[in-house]
Amino acid sequence: DAMVIQNPRYQVTQFGKPVTLSCSQTLNHNVMYWYQQKSSQAPKLLFHYYDKDFNNEADTPDNFQSRRPNTSFCFLDIRSPGLGDAAMYLCATSTDRYNEQFFGPGTRLTVL
Amino acid sequence: AQSVTQPDIHITVSEGASLELRCNYSYGATPYLFWYVQSPGQGLQLLLKYFSGDTLVQGIKGFEAEFKRSQSSFNLRKPSVHWSDAAEYFCAVEGYSGGGADGLTFGKGTHLIIQP
Repeated sequence: DAMVIQNPRYQVTQFGKPVTLSCSQTLNHNVMYWYQQKSSQAPKLLFHYYDKDFNNEADTPDNFQSRRPNTSFCFLDIRSPGLGDAAMYLCATSTDRYNEQFFGPGTRLTVL
Repeated sequence: AQSVTQPDIHITVSEGASLELRCNYSYGATPYLFWYVQSPGQGLQLLLKYFSGDTLVQGIKGFEAEFKRSQSSFNLRKPSVHWSDAAEYFCAVEGYSGGGADGLTFGKGTHLIIQP
């Protein structure tokens, strides 16, 4: 089945230790998104790629970076995780803007 | 900037009863509106969407929603809920800021509890 895959499902890192979260898709969608969802809160868009064009939300901290080496993969890099970065990170894809977004199961990040 | 308000943080409904989850949005132009459902520890699944046309939209799992421009609302309904409907429900809007699509802006969610 075509899908959005996130690895790992659970990630534990230490305060200040860089961490990378992975998202891959078999849907061949043009757009890939990263959302941050803190406990009992709504998902919040961090950034998205439209093909190779990177779009950063204005209030996304500089600590968060993203890479999209090809259509299938997108990475979220957190350069120096703080305790406040503990959250569920959701990857989503869509064929185009304004279309349905397909979400992966998420990666739950714990910062010790 | 766009925003979404879901006024009910928690709703408890008896199994078999009808359901309505409220959603109000703020956006300057015609919005693209969505309802997503999230089960514990899972990603989000699209229930339905409104882009244009008929203001009553049908979705999966027996859900429907009605777009009311005059009230800036997009309420979700289901005539008879099942225990498996217990989950978190998010209303979302996608807008256009001139620099490209803004991505989804979500409401804070409504936690649905089903009583036997």
